Amino acid sequence: GAGVSQTPSNKVTEKGKYVELRCDPISGHTALYWYRQSLGQGPEFLIYFQGTGAADDSGLPNDRFFAVRPEGSVSTLKIQRTERGDSAVYLCASSPGGTGELFFGEGSRLTVL
Amino acid sequence: QKEVEQNSGPLSVPEGAIASLNCTYSDRGSQSFFWYRQYSGKSPELIMSIYSNGDKEDGRFTAQLNKASQYVSLLIRDSQPSDSATYLCAVSSSGSARQLTFGSGTQLTVLP
Repeated sequence: GAGVSQTPSNKVTEKGKYVELRCDPISGHTALYWYRQSLGQGPEFLIYFQGTGAADDSGLPNDRFFAVRPEGSVSTLKIQRTERGDSAVYLCASSPGGTGELFFGEGSRLTVL
Repeated sequence: QKEVEQNSGPLSVPEGAIASLNCTYSDRGSQSFFWYRQYSGKSPELIMSIYSNGDKEDGRFTAQLNKASQYVSLLIRDSQPSDSATYLCAVSSSGSARQLTFGSGTQLTVLP
């Protein structure tokens, strides 16, 4: 497909476990974003990549969260020692030029028991 | 704390009416403003962007921006039941133009 692809669509894990969420952006889009959304809230910014580098990681809540984009395309969001408060839908978005005109994937729903 | 405020609703309008959605923001240096639509259980999709004061029209949608009042609005003319969704206002950060701050959204229901 031509859209942003995220896997897994659902992930259930236990408190303290490690989780990886993957995002494959639209081909040719240089900018990639991670947001997370809790029920009844708008998306909350986590991190922005322009190319391979994290241009803005100011939204990562703490050092348990880390994201990479080694070849400037696919990105992985990594969460260590998961906590119940990490439960949310993690949204990936891409943009052709780093404007605010974002194309979102369908999200990865993370549930931490 | 940079904030984007929206009435959570729900806002109900009859089919064919005009729906008016409002948003205020606190970051006076913001330059870019967006409206996203989110259907239940789905991800947000961009419907309008606006960068200058005044009105911008796209089909049945009109976005209005007043930077002096720090106010953005979205008008939906001839509302249809398929417009029933949550509408998210998003504002760029003056510190990082690539970082959007989203409001909590306004839930709109268009009654047939």
